[in-house]
Amino acid sequence: DQQVKQNSPSLSVQEGRISILNCDYTNSMFDYFLWYKKYPAEGPTFLISISSIKDKNEDGRFTVFLNKSAKHLSLHIVPSQPGDSAVYFCAAMSGGGGTSYGKLTFGQGTILTVHP
Amino acid sequence: EAGVTQSPTHLIKTRGQQATLRCSPISGHTSVYWYQQALGLGLQFLLWYDEGEERNRGNFPPRFSGRQFPNYSSELNVNALELEDSALYLCASSSGQTGGNTIYFGEGSWLTVV
Repeated sequence: DQQVKQNSPSLSVQEGRISILNCDYTNSMFDYFLWYKKYPAEGPTFLISISSIKDKNEDGRFTVFLNKSAKHLSLHIVPSQPGDSAVYFCAAMSGGGGTSYGKLTFGQGTILTVHP
Repeated sequence: EAGVTQSPTHLIKTRGQQATLRCSPISGHTSVYWYQQALGLGLQFLLWYDEGEERNRGNFPPRFSGRQFPNYSSELNVNALELEDSALYLCASSSGQTGGNTIYFGEGSWLTVV
């Protein structure tokens, strides 16, 4: 049961353009969402998060949008840089109890390649 | 400020042996999480400790266990190692047990079972 899905295994973008990474979830108990960047053989690096009480959060070049009714979130990177090339994971958790309490459920990841 | 630190970086064990992995959280963080990333698989939640107690557990057999010490550091023990336990084990920490607290990851410990 894949509760968090990233349906695009890979994305290729030209330097300077916008990268949009998408994520869908099914568990309505999820109320906190995070995006991580990961290089092979390293731990995930936190990028940005959003609470379910918001629909947008910005931090520099990174913006996360949350559409609760559609159970969909997206990460926008503008402008994209070659150094952004990595695997991007979205993750969701529930702060309100239940089996998902305190547990990050990850999507499968999207490989982003930014070409110079 | 130091991030989440894990040791050892690499560990090679024989099938049937026990492995112990260690984690020091970010200073001030009371919650520690363990995740497994096996080759070709995603990040799977193993365990969550907060204030010395196990708060949640993923779908792993009981031979995966751990504990959290009074200084909030943690160790993960894997008993009766099997070949499929070979994976990157990631520790993470956060400042509290409620939602909305960012979870930061360490660089991981590679466990190879031969």
